[in-house]
Amino acid sequence: EVQLVESGGGLVQPGGSLKLSCAASEFTFSSSWMTWVRQAPGKGLQWVATIKPDGSGKYYADSVKGRFTVSRDNAKNSLDLQMNSLRSEDTALYYCSRDQAYSSFDYWGQGTRVTVSS
Amino acid sequence: QSALTQPPSASGSPGQSITISCTGTSGDVGRYNYVSWYQQYPGKAPKLIIYEVNKRPSGVPDRFSGSKSGNTASLTVSGLQAEDEGDYYCSSFGSSSVFGGGTKLTVL
Repeated sequence: EVQLVESGGGLVQPGGSLKLSCAASEFTFSSSWMTWVRQAPGKGLQWVATIKPDGSGKYYADSVKGRFTVSRDNAKNSLDLQMNSLRSEDTALYYCSRDQAYSSFDYWGQGTRVTVSS
Repeated sequence: QSALTQPPSASGSPGQSITISCTGTSGDVGRYNYVSWYQQYPGKAPKLIIYEVNKRPSGVPDRFSGSKSGNTASLTVSGLQAEDEGDYYCSSFGSSSVFGGGTKLTVL
């Protein structure tokens, strides 16, 4: 069974940093485009970042560009999201997902919650 | 990177059909046949139910169907069932990935 398990969420002060991780199993991670999607409390889904299978291409939403960095370790089947200069509007449940092709997300984790508050 | 436009709510009685629209631009929905739809229950992760406008992943009932005309994509749920109640989101490929604001479907 395909599994995506996120970790690393928590409470952080504005301006702080946090690193999210996603452990993948039971699919060919190394050949998969991977994406982070977030959902603020009571709100809709928002695309955050996508990384190509070999890590050579990284794409970000304007709202996080320059603050967030997506990376991956294909040897460990893991995906990361380094979040710096966090703002209250970054408060959300962060999902790790696989992009099967052209922004079609077929596998999702259960999410890890990030709260940015003083 | 403006969000796709969906109606905030939709409703129907069991057995009826409902259609949810998703309006984008000529740069995303209108340009590519890469529109997806997701179903989300409260407290759960989204589930892919339609991809590439009208394709269903394995295991998704054929009561769910998708279409597109111009800059607007649509999800139709036929033969509504109580278990279809939930939130539905569209997404599209474009200069970047973009989601719709979501539609809350209520089965009366």
